Amino acid sequence: GEDVEQSLFLSVREGDSSVINCTYTDSSSTYLYWYKQEPGAGLQLLTYIFSNMDMKQDQRLTVLLNKKDKHLSLRIADTQTGDSAIYFCAESIRGSQGNLIFGKGTKLSVKP
Amino acid sequence: EPEVTQTPSHQVTQMGQEVILRCVPISNHLYFYWYRQILGQKVEFLVSFYNNEISEKSEIFDDQFSVERPDGSNFTLKIRSTKLEDSAMYFCASRGDIMNTEAFFGQGTRLTVV
Repeated sequence: GEDVEQSLFLSVREGDSSVINCTYTDSSSTYLYWYKQEPGAGLQLLTYIFSNMDMKQDQRLTVLLNKKDKHLSLRIADTQTGDSAIYFCAESIRGSQGNLIFGKGTKLSVKP
Repeated sequence: EPEVTQTPSHQVTQMGQEVILRCVPISNHLYFYWYRQILGQKVEFLVSFYNNEISEKSEIFDDQFSVERPDGSNFTLKIRSTKLEDSAMYFCASRGDIMNTEAFFGQGTRLTVV
């Protein structure tokens, strides 16, 4: 079945770039997403990429998609302490009713 | 900004009791979802709902679970006879249409079964 995998933890220093990686198994993904979850809060959509794109940039966020390797990454430039959160990779599958398959989430810790 | 709201934020219930988790999706949205996240685990899809009926459900969504849109605004998840393993964060989400890329999530209801 479909599966999405992420590393569980990432620690960076303030001002550095963070790169969060994700791999997925289903080649019929239509969209791939990055959600952010702050402590005690819900899931906030950060950005998404359509499966026929390679890259998308949105201010400090850069999403790279390698469809051949089924690898998705999220780069956060100039990481701030406010970026500390759990980041979830998710995919939607062609033919589904828009439901999402999530990874376990990567906990990003930003040290001052 | 429109948002999905969920109540209560935290519910504690005894094993075997029934619980109803409530969600108010964004008003002009058509697709509604429930997800759950057991502590430390993935966010898992439970069910999607469109046009007043279930459009898709996962194998987690067994006869213990049901969903309803009792009026024009609420979307509820009922869990009959709760088990300890039902303890999780339950998220509601809504989407404007099937082509809309963004699913908006609520803040979640933390369900604790004791």
